[in-house]
Amino acid sequence: GNSVTQMEGPVTLSEEAFLTINCTYTATGYPSLFWYVQYPGEGLQLLLKATKADDKGSNKGFEATYRKETTSFHLEKGSVQVSDSAVYFCALTLSDSWGKFQFGAGTQVVVTP
Amino acid sequence: GAVVSQHPSWVICKSGTSVKIECRSLDFQATTMFWYRQFPKQSLMLMATSNEGSKATYEQGVEKDKFLINHASLTLSTLTVTSAHPEDSSFYICSAKGLAGPTDTQYFGPGTRLTVL
Repeated sequence: GNSVTQMEGPVTLSEEAFLTINCTYTATGYPSLFWYVQYPGEGLQLLLKATKADDKGSNKGFEATYRKETTSFHLEKGSVQVSDSAVYFCALTLSDSWGKFQFGAGTQVVVTP
Repeated sequence: GAVVSQHPSWVICKSGTSVKIECRSLDFQATTMFWYRQFPKQSLMLMATSNEGSKATYEQGVEKDKFLINHASLTLSTLTVTSAHPEDSSFYICSAKGLAGPTDTQYFGPGTRLTVL
């Protein structure tokens, strides 16, 4: 079956620190990969995505590269802000069932001033 | 950008009653909507796929008679939790896929928090 594994949180960082959240996946086909962010009390927001191997998704200073050889899609940001405090979900969907997402467990990130 | 709304945003009900949650795509037509539930501090779990004009497809372990889904139009899907019990208390989130094609972006609603007393 398909699954997404991401590092457990919470991850606590100081402002301007470097953030990495690891995400690996297993899939029966060729998935598209996503990072979603959920701020307290809000719904999911798409942060970035990549639809094929070696693609790099980027948005708001966050980046993630689709690595087929390591089945990974790690999220990185060079300098976090307090406003980046949220829960981050790695997810995949397959082309033959597009929109049907398999989510990772979520990683809570807390950025302190 | 595209917006998906849910109503209500939160609801409290007594055990044994039924609750209806609406999911609307506000500025695009959605042939397919998905319903997820999220328990506190946990990930989202897909419950069912809702297709306009046809029966919903439920994931394994989800009771279709308990979680009734109706996708009556291209902009509205409803989830009715029938005879709700405290263990049904959760955060219910819908997402909608537009008509633009198989790789069209999925949009998530803000969620509905259900508390069953």
